[in-house]
Amino acid sequence: QSALTQPRSVSGSPGQSVTISCTGTSSDVGGYNYVSWYQQNTGKAPKLMIYDVSKRPSGVPDRFSGSKSGNTASLTISGLQSEDEADYYCCSYAGSYTLGVFGGGTKLTVL
Amino acid sequence: QVQLVESGGGVVQPGRSLRLSCAASGFTFSYYAMHWVRQAPGKGLEWVAVIYYDGSNKYYADSVKGRFTISRDKSKNTLYLQMNSLRAEDTAVYYCARGSDDVWQQLVPNFDYWGQGTLVTVSS
Repeated sequence: QSALTQPRSVSGSPGQSVTISCTGTSSDVGGYNYVSWYQQNTGKAPKLMIYDVSKRPSGVPDRFSGSKSGNTASLTISGLQSEDEADYYCCSYAGSYTLGVFGGGTKLTVL
Repeated sequence: QVQLVESGGGVVQPGRSLRLSCAASGFTFSYYAMHWVRQAPGKGLEWVAVIYYDGSNKYYADSVKGRFTISRDKSKNTLYLQMNSLRAEDTAVYYCARGSDDVWQQLVPNFDYWGQGTLVTVSS
């Protein structure tokens, strides 16, 4: 499986919205509604932010939202806050009998 | 509360073996798929292996297939990763992560709890 494609970096000012894209193929992102997003702070374990494309685990602020169109999934963070600065990774199911695949990661900088 | 605690990492020479453990607590271990995910220094996440809730199925990344073996012991609430024929490119922090308790979604990447990770360094 090839890694999903994410932008290396995105940035935004406090209060603004940013969107991180995650592009795969019809064999992964486009074929199933099983895309998840993880936030990782330096030296820490990843944290689940979005699952099943657009669902939020309890405790995750509703400023975080997910969507999908075709082979591209997106994570949108609205009302950007300084504590949102982190690396973000998408991950997609890729069908039965095989592991899915992560994106390469996107570094979010809050200006 | 759910806890996952990895152990067993360290420095090992190329070609040697190492076994990682992940002690689980705070949930019914035997109900959930369990996963290993690794992260090389300064790099992204890589899904390494998954084992179904009952141990009936296991899947591996192509990069480790034939060298790594995932297993679980429900009596000890522990997940394992046996790593043989280690290579320099296996150097990474290895995380265990909890997956789904839905029998039809064992391969779905909804990792809701992660351990703190254990560092494996393969070097001569």
